Amino acid sequence: EPEVTQTPSHQVTQMGQEVILRCVPISNHLYFYWYRQILGQKVEFLVSFYNNEISEKSEIFDDQFSVERPDGSNFTLKIRSTKLEDSAMYFCASSELGNSNSGNTIYFGEGSWLTVV
Amino acid sequence: GESVGLHLPTLSVQEGDNSIINCAYSNSASDYFIWYKQESGKGPQFIIDIRSNMDKRQGQRVTVLLNKTVKHLSLQIAATQPGDSAVYFCAEGEDAGNMLTFGGGTRLMVKP
Repeated sequence: EPEVTQTPSHQVTQMGQEVILRCVPISNHLYFYWYRQILGQKVEFLVSFYNNEISEKSEIFDDQFSVERPDGSNFTLKIRSTKLEDSAMYFCASSELGNSNSGNTIYFGEGSWLTVV
Repeated sequence: GESVGLHLPTLSVQEGDNSIINCAYSNSASDYFIWYKQESGKGPQFIIDIRSNMDKRQGQRVTVLLNKTVKHLSLQIAATQPGDSAVYFCAEGEDAGNMLTFGGGTRLMVKP
């Protein structure tokens, strides 16, 4: 079964440093997402991306965050200057269609665990 | 099935029994509902979904029930197996957007 792959699986970074988390969505998918999950808490939406632009973002996704699709396969999340509270598991996800289409399924990657120290 | 902070509701069942996991949602505009399973250290894994124009949908060993009147969603797992042990999240979305809003999760523990 095709899957969303993420790298790195775990990254430790110092506060204030920039971090780039990478994702390879499923190849025929058109919608890409980043979610995060702070330890023991709910999965929270960060951003959705379609047709090379952000289609929706949450309040969490402030100016410190950016996303990019630098080529035909990768989708990245950049945190410009990390804070302690950015420590979380970051999940990339992708779907073939948007929510409005019946039968749309959003597939998640295994996550990148970010620890800010 | 909702939780606050670090506390997760836990459902403990005997192997072979049926499990019912519940979720209360708050957005009456939600059109689309999904159940995800999350094992420790892994990403959410799609189980089954249902649109708001349906009240029941069945998959392999799983059934999702939707009651829009009381904004309630449930996941029924038949003949629960040890491999079903995980945290289960409900999620909801609107046709107008592409984001999912996740519930707090319920931990299912299956006793052999």
